[in-house]
Amino acid sequence: DVKVTQSSRYLVKRTGEKVFLECVQDMDHENMFWYRQDPGLGLRLIYFSYDVKMKEKGDIPEGYSVSREKKERFSLILESASTNQTSMYLCASSWRGSGANVLTFGAGSRLTVL
Amino acid sequence: QKEVEQNSGPLSVPEGAIASLNCTYSDRGSQSFFWYRQYSGKSPELIMSIYSNGDKEDGRFTAQLNKASQYVSLLIRDSQPSDSATYLCAVLQSTGKLIFGQGTELSVKP
Repeated sequence: DVKVTQSSRYLVKRTGEKVFLECVQDMDHENMFWYRQDPGLGLRLIYFSYDVKMKEKGDIPEGYSVSREKKERFSLILESASTNQTSMYLCASSWRGSGANVLTFGAGSRLTVL
Repeated sequence: QKEVEQNSGPLSVPEGAIASLNCTYSDRGSQSFFWYRQYSGKSPELIMSIYSNGDKEDGRFTAQLNKASQYVSLLIRDSQPSDSATYLCAVLQSTGKLIFGQGTELSVKP
């Protein structure tokens, strides 16, 4: 069974803390994505990556950075967490080419910043 | 105008009825369209994709695409309580960006 695994389901952090959200996929997918999901706003793309060590900004990259040192792992970093970053974070992956937009999602990481 | 728009709902239908979920999009050059289902507290999962005008059927699900009118819909026949979820429409724009709607919550009452 193919999987996208997010390391933390629930996190509570304080304002100003550095936060790491880890995502690992076992499908040998080239593409990986980080979204945040908020009520009434749907899914919004933060960052994506089409290859190792490659990253591209999505629609809302401010306050976030990413790291992709290995093909299977894509990390989202909040350098200094703020309360407006309280959200559900979803990692996804897909094949390159014709399957690029068929996403497999992880279970999500619900982050609360106090 | 939002790039991809869905009624947020909730849409409530009785068990056995047809549920109709609608999505409109702004980019006329969009070519690929997807429906994801998201159960409460779970992650989205792809249930349908459609690329050309007309209907595409998969079991109880039918996706309908009308590019001239810029809408895509999902019909669920013989709705079951297990279909209760939020349904996300996603559109691949001509720019190559995949844009999600905000989702429609469906509730199927026994």
